[in-house]
Amino acid sequence: GQNIDQPTEMTATEGAIVQINCTYQTSGFNGLFWYQQHAGEAPTFLSYNVLDGLEEKGRFSSFLSRSKGYSYLLLKELQMKDSASYLCAVRDSNYQLIWGAGTKLIIKP
Amino acid sequence: DVKVTQSSRYLVKRTGEKVFLECVQDMDHENMFWYRQDPGLGLRLIYFSYDVKMKEKGDIPEGYSVSREKKERFSLILESASTNQTSMYLCASSFDSSWEGYTFGSGTRLTVV
Repeated sequence: GQNIDQPTEMTATEGAIVQINCTYQTSGFNGLFWYQQHAGEAPTFLSYNVLDGLEEKGRFSSFLSRSKGYSYLLLKELQMKDSASYLCAVRDSNYQLIWGAGTKLIIKP
Repeated sequence: DVKVTQSSRYLVKRTGEKVFLECVQDMDHENMFWYRQDPGLGLRLIYFSYDVKMKEKGDIPEGYSVSREKKERFSLILESASTNQTSMYLCASSFDSSWEGYTFGSGTRLTVV
């Protein structure tokens, strides 16, 4: 079966750095996505990785290792507004998105 | 900016009612999707469509049907609402093979009483 694992919840301090991990087992691979979802709102696109390595976009970076079935989202200089759920999703061989259950990130002052 | 608009933000319906959830996108996307999202379960795909009048079952289609008569509009129908269909419903759209993945609507929180 297809499976995406990410931690259920993480806590970090304002101004710090946090890394949210995602491991996956899917039938084929055509890219990995990270989305941010604030409570009660729709998910919004953060990043896309299809090749191995690190993609940096401001305070957010995303890393991919296809051989290990592993990705992480790195958030730097955390702000209170970063409190949200972070969803990892993999596009499989049928170009369907397979979703993880999401990681709820709590930022403390 | 791509916009995906869902007709209602909150809905309360009675058990056994027929419920229509509407979704409209304005960027000529080929693909449209309906998900439900429940705590701890993540996003689960109900139905999707790759073209007008075309539909495919997702992971949890039971109790639902869909309609796509026009490219921009994708409707989700609960034929006879039940309490276990109380959930957040999210519509999304995309181009084929897009690096942006999906664009989501703001969601409809449906409560069936």
